[in-house]
Amino acid sequence: DADVTQTPRNRITKTGKRIMLECSQTKGHDRMYWYRQDPGLGLQLIYYSFDVKDINKGEISDGYSVSRQAQAKFSLSLESAIPNQTALYFCATSEGAKETQYFGPGTRLLVL
Amino acid sequence: QQQVKQSPQSLIVQKGGISIINCAYENTAFDYFPWYQQFPGKGPALLIAIRPDVSEKKEGRFTISFNKSAKQFSLHIMDSQPGDSATYFCAAHNFNKFYFGSGTKLNVKP
Repeated sequence: DADVTQTPRNRITKTGKRIMLECSQTKGHDRMYWYRQDPGLGLQLIYYSFDVKDINKGEISDGYSVSRQAQAKFSLSLESAIPNQTALYFCATSEGAKETQYFGPGTRLLVL
Repeated sequence: QQQVKQSPQSLIVQKGGISIINCAYENTAFDYFPWYQQFPGKGPALLIAIRPDVSEKKEGRFTISFNKSAKQFSLHIMDSQPGDSATYFCAAHNFNKFYFGSGTKLNVKP
């Protein structure tokens, strides 16, 4: 969905490096999410935020941190990347209590 | 521990056939069950969804069948087309969080 953008789209990094993935949305939604997708495991929730001052851990938050800089921006950081963080990362948004989520195009991350 | 179990992992169907993907869950507090469709290089997009007070929902060629007592729900794609070839995810919603199945890669042969 073009209303949810992610940068970079692809990234190769080395073990131990700090990396930030960024998500921006123009949908005006208050809720934002970060998911990780691995083959055979589907999508797993890393962190979610219901507004700028609200950050919550998901199922697999260890090794990750987030920042909600504004309603439209939600960044995911890997403080010290490790190879098993190699995955496809998706940002998603939703509006209030409505259940429909809108996903960005994803960031493919390779940690060597 | 995966809260939503999805099968099969992959599915090959001839054009015009019926594609069926199944999901099962344990948590009876789930209150919304969407299906997402994902094409290569794209993020998942909502396809169709159902609430547990309804046994079936149909939108065009796509139907969700929901069995509350068995805690199972399935996606049926009638008259499957090559353009339906994608990965499909079921999900369940509870307390503002979604739990996704592992995905089914559908290949519709022309």
